[in-house]
Amino acid sequence: AQTVTQSQPEMSVQEAETVTLSCTYDTSESDYYLFWYKQPPSRQMILVIRQEAYKQQNATENRFSVNFQKAAKSFSLKISDSQLGDAAMYFCAYSANTGTASKLTFGTGTRLQVTL
Amino acid sequence: NAGVTQTPKFRILKIGQSMTLQCTQDMNHNYMYWYRQDPGMGLKLIYYSVGAGITDKGEVPNGYNVSRSTTEDFPLRLELAAPSQTSVYFCASRTTGFNQPQHFGDGTRLSIL
Repeated sequence: AQTVTQSQPEMSVQEAETVTLSCTYDTSESDYYLFWYKQPPSRQMILVIRQEAYKQQNATENRFSVNFQKAAKSFSLKISDSQLGDAAMYFCAYSANTGTASKLTFGTGTRLQVTL
Repeated sequence: NAGVTQTPKFRILKIGQSMTLQCTQDMNHNYMYWYRQDPGMGLKLIYYSVGAGITDKGEVPNGYNVSRSTTEDFPLRLELAAPSQTSVYFCASRTTGFNQPQHFGDGTRLSIL
């Protein structure tokens, strides 16, 4: 079974600084996608960024980028120039092309605090 | 474009009562999912559907039932509410393609006392 592990329950970063959230996963599949979702206090689940396993180039979306290390099964999220609005729970998630609705497997989340 | 709409947003139930959590999406997505999120945890899959008339169990289906009579609607039913079902429930949908992101509703906070 696929598992997703986020070993940092909480992280803190100062405004305008950079922070990296860690995620590791375990799978025997070769065709899969990885996602980072943000959940602010409003409870919404918002897609931040996604990465295809076959692509070596790390995905970027504005201030958000990933460090995807396929051999190490690691998928960290880097937030640059942190803003107060980045404060939220961040979930790493995995989806494989298994032909059975390709369910998402979530990690337990990292709570990010942004301080002035 | 409303996306995924869940009702109600909050509900308190007594042990043994029944209720249906409603979920509807207006994006014509074939795939729909129900998750529960317990405090401090990630989301766990309860049931999912790959199209109208087709549903299947996820990780934690006990105590729940679903139906999918239309593409738009995917209600989740609790038959005999138990305190262990106190949680936040999320409905999600996506279009065809495992690389496509899931779109989530705003969640329903359910307390069973």
